[in-house]
Amino acid sequence: AQTVTQSQPEMSVQEAETVTLSCTYDTSESDYYLFWYKQPPSRQMILVIRQEAYKQQNATENRFSVNFQKAAKSFSLKISDSQLGDAAMYFCAYRHKYNNNDMRFGAGTRLTVKP
Amino acid sequence: DGGITQSPKYLFRKEGQNVTLSCEQNLNHDAMYWYRQDPGQGLRLIYYSQIVNDFQKGDIAEGYSVSREKKESFPLTVTSAQKNPTAFYLCASSIDGRSARRHNQPQHFGDGTRLSIL
Repeated sequence: AQTVTQSQPEMSVQEAETVTLSCTYDTSESDYYLFWYKQPPSRQMILVIRQEAYKQQNATENRFSVNFQKAAKSFSLKISDSQLGDAAMYFCAYRHKYNNNDMRFGAGTRLTVKP
Repeated sequence: DGGITQSPKYLFRKEGQNVTLSCEQNLNHDAMYWYRQDPGQGLRLIYYSQIVNDFQKGDIAEGYSVSREKKESFPLTVTSAQKNPTAFYLCASSIDGRSARRHNQPQHFGDGTRLSIL
């Protein structure tokens, strides 16, 4: 079974600074998807960014980018120019390419942004 | 606006009582999911449904039941057999990822329901 590990239960960053959230996963598959979801205090899960395993280029969405290291099975999220609205729980998730039903989530990292 | 609506936002259950959590989507998605979220843990899959009138157990289905009579609706019943029901419940939906043309679609989530024991 695939597992997803987020080793940082909590992180904090100064406003306008950069922070990196770590995620590692375990799988025997070669083709899959990785996601970062954000869960603000409102509790809604919001997709931040996704990465397709067969693409070597790291995904980027505005201030959010990933460092995808397939051999190391690592998928970290970098948030640049952190804003107060970035404060939330961040979940890393893995999904087999063709099986939308088997989504595995990490335990989450709580990000605090200090003004 | 398209989206997923979960109700109620807060729910309280008495001992021995069954309660039902509602989930409705107007995204025309084929697949729907129920997750349970506990503090310090990631989301765990309770049940999922890929098409109407069909659903499958996830990792923690015991003590829960679902139905999928309409494409838009996927209610979750927390039965009295679920001895530790206090948690945050999230419903999600997605395009059926089994299609090779649509396999990169993510899951979309509702706002959740917090269930507590009285």
